[in-house]
Amino acid sequence: GAGVSQSPRYKVAKRGQDVALRCDPISGHVSLFWYQQALGQGPEFLTYFQNEAQLDKSGLPSDRFFAERPEGSVSTLKIQRTQQEDSAVYLCASHPNTNTEAFFGQGTRLTVV
Amino acid sequence: DQQVKQNSPSLSVQEGRISILNCDYTNSMFDYFLWYKKYPAEGPTFLISISSIKDKNEDGRFTVFLNKSAKHLSLHIVPSQPGDSAVYFCAPNALNNAGNMLTFGGGTRLMVKP
Repeated sequence: GAGVSQSPRYKVAKRGQDVALRCDPISGHVSLFWYQQALGQGPEFLTYFQNEAQLDKSGLPSDRFFAERPEGSVSTLKIQRTQQEDSAVYLCASHPNTNTEAFFGQGTRLTVV
Repeated sequence: DQQVKQNSPSLSVQEGRISILNCDYTNSMFDYFLWYKKYPAEGPTFLISISSIKDKNEDGRFTVFLNKSAKHLSLHIVPSQPGDSAVYFCAPNALNNAGNMLTFGGGTRLMVKP
């Protein structure tokens, strides 16, 4: 596709359920980021990949959050045992290389009930 | 402790007038500053940027000003159009970061009235 694609667009999970959010970056983009955007706030950094290597995961809020990008293209953000405070929009962004602006997907809106 | 602050959560201007959106930051390591625009139910899209070696960058109706000593930048839109109505995020970056991790402000919702 022409842009960054995220799926699902919307996800409702019961508290305690595991969820998996998918990001298809723009083909050939080396860098991939995940951000979390709570209601009324700006996006906050979660984790960063360069190709398949996860170079920074300092923004992941707890060990219930896990991200992977095994072949250096598609990435999955997994949240185990979801809690209500996990409700947010999860944004994926990719860059062709360093020092370029990010291209964002439309996000996945996660609601934990 | 917020490193990037956009103190006006919302701004309303008349079509044709100037919109000025402000952003303050605390991290002196930031050296590249980006503005993103976000419509509802869409991801942020890049609008304009400025490097710390400049104090002004202009692109059509959009101009960004940087005052490094004050750690302040502003985005000017003139003339404002109804299609500019969106949330605007200031997002600085430190180019020596591994990658291009952005630190976003809280956003300013701009409403341009016809």
